[in-house]
Amino acid sequence: DSGVTQTPKHLITATGQRVTLRCSPRSGDLSVYWYQQSLDQGLQFLIHYYNGEERAKGNILERFSAQQFPDLHSELNLSSLELGDSALYFCASSADWGFTDTQYFGPGTRLTVL
Amino acid sequence: ILNVEQSPQSLHVQEGDSTNFTCSFPSSNFYALHWYRWETAKSPEALFVMTLNGDEKKKGRISATLNTKEGYSYLYIKGSQPEDSATYLCAFNTDKLIFGTGTRLQVFP
Repeated sequence: DSGVTQTPKHLITATGQRVTLRCSPRSGDLSVYWYQQSLDQGLQFLIHYYNGEERAKGNILERFSAQQFPDLHSELNLSSLELGDSALYFCASSADWGFTDTQYFGPGTRLTVL
Repeated sequence: ILNVEQSPQSLHVQEGDSTNFTCSFPSSNFYALHWYRWETAKSPEALFVMTLNGDEKKKGRISATLNTKEGYSYLYIKGSQPEDSATYLCAFNTDKLIFGTGTRLQVFP
């Protein structure tokens, strides 16, 4: 158990809908990262927040947005969902934002868009 | 576009065999290389973070080396056990982690 929690574990929804994925980092960690794992693709970095501020962005679609709240939990919002958004979404946390910081991954949220 | 490549894509070995995999990454603007172990139905688990050329790290039967000048890292598993079966991922750190697609290891008893 990494100490990172994600809810929900599974989510099934329809095209065009909007969903929110939630992540609570390990106690004391200030950074939260979001990743997407699609079928036959490696882990793709989406976005990084550090202490409430956006720090780095990957190939995150405009339909996706994220935020980190004062209590350091983070939410990833996915809107106007398409079939291709079906994937495993991971959140990870680290103590700081440095290149050598170990990232601890949560159990993931499996999103299925029908 | 930064590319991280891992080989082989998959590997089947017998219990007790030693094995190694390769991770290739851009040698310029190197900051850090991370290795992760990812078991089926679980989440990636950090193994090593490597930063210096010539770095060697060890955790039990698993070790890793780093060559930043030529842009590669090797992961070694000595005396593979069935519980070592997993996908091993490396990730190159710029301002974000760029993951390779992994080496899937299966160890047969």
